[in-house]
Amino acid sequence: AQKVTQAQTEISVVEKEDVTLDCVYETRDTTYYLFWYKQPPSGELVFLIRRNSFDEQNEISGRYSWNFQKSTSSFNFTITASQVVDSAVYFCALGSSNTGKLIFGQGTTLQVKP
Amino acid sequence: KAGVTQTPRYLIKTRGQQVTLSCSPISGHRSVSWYQQTPGQGLQFLFEYFSETQRNKGNFPGRFSGRQFSNSRSEMNVSTLELGDSALYLCASSLGTGLETQYFGPGTRLLVL
Repeated sequence: AQKVTQAQTEISVVEKEDVTLDCVYETRDTTYYLFWYKQPPSGELVFLIRRNSFDEQNEISGRYSWNFQKSTSSFNFTITASQVVDSAVYFCALGSSNTGKLIFGQGTTLQVKP
Repeated sequence: KAGVTQTPRYLIKTRGQQVTLSCSPISGHRSVSWYQQTPGQGLQFLFEYFSETQRNKGNFPGRFSGRQFSNSRSEMNVSTLELGDSALYLCASSLGTGLETQYFGPGTRLLVL
């Protein structure tokens, strides 16, 4: 069965702190994709990053970075020098080439306090 | 390019009624997927349409149905509404040629009384 686990339900940090959001996935597929989405209070899911199962290179985009490790089935997301505008719910998702649907984790609510 | 649009944004219905939600994908995208988001169950996949055909389906009862038109716009229908159908319904579009990134609309918040 396919599954995505985000063990951290809520995280609260003070502005400028670094924060890492954890994501662990389960799949038997050899080809799959991993995603991170951000959901601000408005409700719309905003795409952040996509990674395929054959690309384990870490990625950095501004204050955001992602660490993909197939050996531990993890795809963690780090925000450096967090800002109040980063406050949102963050979802990790797994996509399989076999089904074409996304399986989401339960989400991590990040609160960044000024 | 305009993003994914969904109408209406908010809806209040009573039990037993039916409802139709609409989704217009990003121009050039041929796949539309629907998801239900509730506090208890999180984000769950409803179904995906590609070229007017349902390509994938989640584990929802037959009261939930959808369709896609030739211009890729999609509608989702829920018949005989139940209180538990209260949720945020999100639509996502993608090119549809593989497992590309799905881009989401703002959602329709449905409240069933």
